[in-house]
Amino acid sequence: AQSVAQPEDQVNVAEGNPLTVKCTYSVSGNPYLFWYVQYPNRGLQFLLKYITGDNLVKGSYGFEAEFNKSQTSFHLKKPSALVSDSALYFCAVRASGGATNKLIFGTGTLLAVQP
Amino acid sequence: KAGVTQTPRYLIKTRGQQVTLSCSPISGHRSVSWYQQTPGQGLQFLFEYFSETQRNKGNFPGRFSGRQFSNSRSEMNVSTLELGDSALYLCASSRGTSGSSYEQYFGPGTRLTVT
Repeated sequence: AQSVAQPEDQVNVAEGNPLTVKCTYSVSGNPYLFWYVQYPNRGLQFLLKYITGDNLVKGSYGFEAEFNKSQTSFHLKKPSALVSDSALYFCAVRASGGATNKLIFGTGTLLAVQP
Repeated sequence: KAGVTQTPRYLIKTRGQQVTLSCSPISGHRSVSWYQQTPGQGLQFLFEYFSETQRNKGNFPGRFSGRQFSNSRSEMNVSTLELGDSALYLCASSRGTSGSSYEQYFGPGTRLTVT
């Protein structure tokens, strides 16, 4: 069965400091991995994805994520946090090769950036 | 390019009633998926449609149903509403067929409150 774990309910970071939001996954076969962000009373906004190739993926708003196959992880990172990055972040996975777009989501991590 | 639109944005219904939610995908997207988001269960997959055919269905009771029209617009219906159906219902669209590597783009959601 496919699953995603986001071990931290909340991450606190000071503005200007680097941030990391953790994600580990379990899937049969090769994974498609995604990060989404959700602002209050809004839908999910796509940040970036890993399909294949380079393990470091760059996305929107200065975010990047590193795919680590041996650790089955896909951590989201940003070199310098902004107060406006404060939001709820979701990691999602699905197996490649399947005839479905169904995503399995983690429970979400609330990122709080203090000025 | 317009994003995914969902109507209505907010809805209040009484237990036992039924409700229909609508989703218009991004122009050119033919795959539509629905998710339920609640504080307790997080984001859960409801169903997925491509070319008017249901490609996958989540673990929800038969009271939850959906369909897709020839213009790719989709509707979901919940009959005999229960208090536990109160949630944010999110629609997502994607290019390509089911199982492709394309990411999904989410609408703003419909906030359903059942009293």
